[in-house]
Amino acid sequence: GAVVSQHPSWVICKSGTSVKIECRSLDFQATTMFWYRQFPKQSLMLMATSNEGSKATYEQGVEKDKFLINHASLTLSTLTVTSAHPEDSSFYICSASDLTQGNTIYFGEGSWLTVV
Amino acid sequence: LAKTTQPISMDSYEGQEVNITCSHNNIATNDYITWYQQFPSQGPRFIIQGYKTKVTNEVASLFIPADRKSSTLSLPRVSLSDTAVYYCLVGVRNRDDKIIFGKGTRLHILP
Repeated sequence: GAVVSQHPSWVICKSGTSVKIECRSLDFQATTMFWYRQFPKQSLMLMATSNEGSKATYEQGVEKDKFLINHASLTLSTLTVTSAHPEDSSFYICSASDLTQGNTIYFGEGSWLTVV
Repeated sequence: LAKTTQPISMDSYEGQEVNITCSHNNIATNDYITWYQQFPSQGPRFIIQGYKTKVTNEVASLFIPADRKSSTLSLPRVSLSDTAVYYCLVGVRNRDDKIIFGKGTRLHILP
């Protein structure tokens, strides 16, 4: 079945640095991917919609200059957390739909970011 | 996007059947109902999807009444490994609509 893979699964970075998280659809093409963040014991919060070949669409309250999204190919979207701060520490999850298989949404394994 | 309402948490015992109901009063004609399961530190995993009546797979059953304003996920003979958060989502098939998650139901299975 369809698989969405994220990398890295966990990362620790220093305050002020930037970190990139990759999201890949392994056996299907995804013109649209979604990025979520999730704090412990809370639900997933949609951050942005990643559109292949065009700018991402950000949800209200999400800083586009802080969370840079690039969707350069039909199988890869990246989320870069710039100038990371401890409050950016969270679980980041991406998702993509295989439109050839109805609208079943597949989620990546998630990436834990810890900013120290 | 149809808003969904689920119980915040539920407890049950191993071997029992668990039913989690989701309300979606403003579901649209083209909307499908999908349930996901999430374990700690993992992305959500697809469980089942349906449009009306009943759908069954190897993991669960999904019951949808005629008015489609609610749906019930049924997990037969749960085990400790079914402890997870379950999300009910409503959306359109074959379209890349963004999905807004509700709070989900935290299911705790006791021995």
